[in-house]
Amino acid sequence: ETGVTQTPRHLVMGMTNKKSLKCEQHLGHNAMYWYKQSAKKPLELMFVYSLEERVENNSVPSRFSPECPNSSHLFLHLHTLQPEDSALYLCASSQDLTSRPEENYGYTFGSGTRLTVV
Amino acid sequence: AQSVSQHNHHVILSEAASLELGCNYSYGGTVNLFWYVQYPGQHLQLLLKYFSGDPLVKGIKGFEAEFIKSKFSFNLRKPSVQWSDTAEYFCAVNDPDTDKLIFGTGTRLQVFP
Repeated sequence: ETGVTQTPRHLVMGMTNKKSLKCEQHLGHNAMYWYKQSAKKPLELMFVYSLEERVENNSVPSRFSPECPNSSHLFLHLHTLQPEDSALYLCASSQDLTSRPEENYGYTFGSGTRLTVV
Repeated sequence: AQSVSQHNHHVILSEAASLELGCNYSYGGTVNLFWYVQYPGQHLQLLLKYFSGDPLVKGIKGFEAEFIKSKFSFNLRKPSVQWSDTAEYFCAVNDPDTDKLIFGTGTRLQVFP
């Protein structure tokens, strides 16, 4: 375990379903991230939260809705997804959004949720 | 905006062969550079990182990377690969404007016994 836990590990959903992905970290980190990993494409940053406040939304469709109720938990709510949204969704955390390099800068990733939209 | 290029998409090697994976970034100023590895079915984990100082960085599992500022490169190397090195390798650089990590497309490494 990395310290960042994602559930579920696998999810299959229909295009009309509503589901949520969960991410939990108890590393004392203040920043959390959602990434989308598709085959043959760079990791795509979707959302960034710092101290429970969303600081970035990289033009993600509104069918993806993040929620950060506290610094340890991050959710990604999904509704009316498309088949092209099938991918591995990764959660990551870091000490702070603007950590100094000499500190433990670097992301801790969860194992991801493999999402298939049918 | 910062960008990262990994030109080798798929590399196949035999055990004991030497490895070099290319990584180039676009920003000309001070950058922090990272290599992450993702073993099959596992999470992304940090392999090594460069912030400043010695441009030759040693990482875990015998990996090293060399930062060459003039070439905007941070290539990953290992003198002798093992079957267990089969994984996907991602280069990343922080974007100094946003302080976020920008990842490359990844290189899939397959090592055959």
